[in-house]
Amino acid sequence: GAVVSQHPSRVICKSGTSVKIECRSLDFQATTMFWYRQFPKQSLMLMATSNEGSKATYEQGVEKDKFLINHASLTLSTLTVTSAHPEDSSFYICSAWALAKNIQYFGAGTRLSVL
Amino acid sequence: GDSVTQMEGPVTLSEEAFLTINCTYTATGYPSLFWYVQYPGEGLQLLLKATKADDKGSNKGFEATYRKETTSFHLEKGSVQVSDSAVYFCALRLIQGAQKLVFGQGTRLTINP
Repeated sequence: GAVVSQHPSRVICKSGTSVKIECRSLDFQATTMFWYRQFPKQSLMLMATSNEGSKATYEQGVEKDKFLINHASLTLSTLTVTSAHPEDSSFYICSAWALAKNIQYFGAGTRLSVL
Repeated sequence: GDSVTQMEGPVTLSEEAFLTINCTYTATGYPSLFWYVQYPGEGLQLLLKATKADDKGSNKGFEATYRKETTSFHLEKGSVQVSDSAVYFCALRLIQGAQKLVFGQGTRLTINP
């Protein structure tokens, strides 16, 4: 079964609203989680690295005030897309680093559609 | 910068055909290399990995060998099945940095019965 749960799987929202996506590690603690964005027929692009108890590290070109990341516990990281606009419509994927196994586990992704 | 290049898809094969998906990389250090698979509606799953030159990763009949001299990590399977239909991603991880993965663009594979 899935070891990383991502919720919701799909969300449709109006332009200007905010959307929160959750990423949970189910049977291990993850001090580090990652957030990716995947455009149609393209690869995953790392948006930010989420570290438990500290500020996220954003990749170049990713607006930290637009994509708020919170990693308040060892099993939960959230990505909030603030004031969403149609160009934010995309597939967002999280992953969690299982240190003991040295493996990165991925969530099933969230498809965001902004109208 | 560090990057991964995969053969463009989509790739369509008949069941029991031989599969090769090419992957080459550019990295400043000595990366670990991975193949991930994404089935429809699911997250990425680790298929196999190799951490140093000449290592061969294998799983579910798939194989890939870490070739430092050609900076390649081609994915192969001798006899594909319909259930292998998915999107395959080649990725690298730099040992020196954080556990960040750099992905190729993905290759969609469709196997027809």
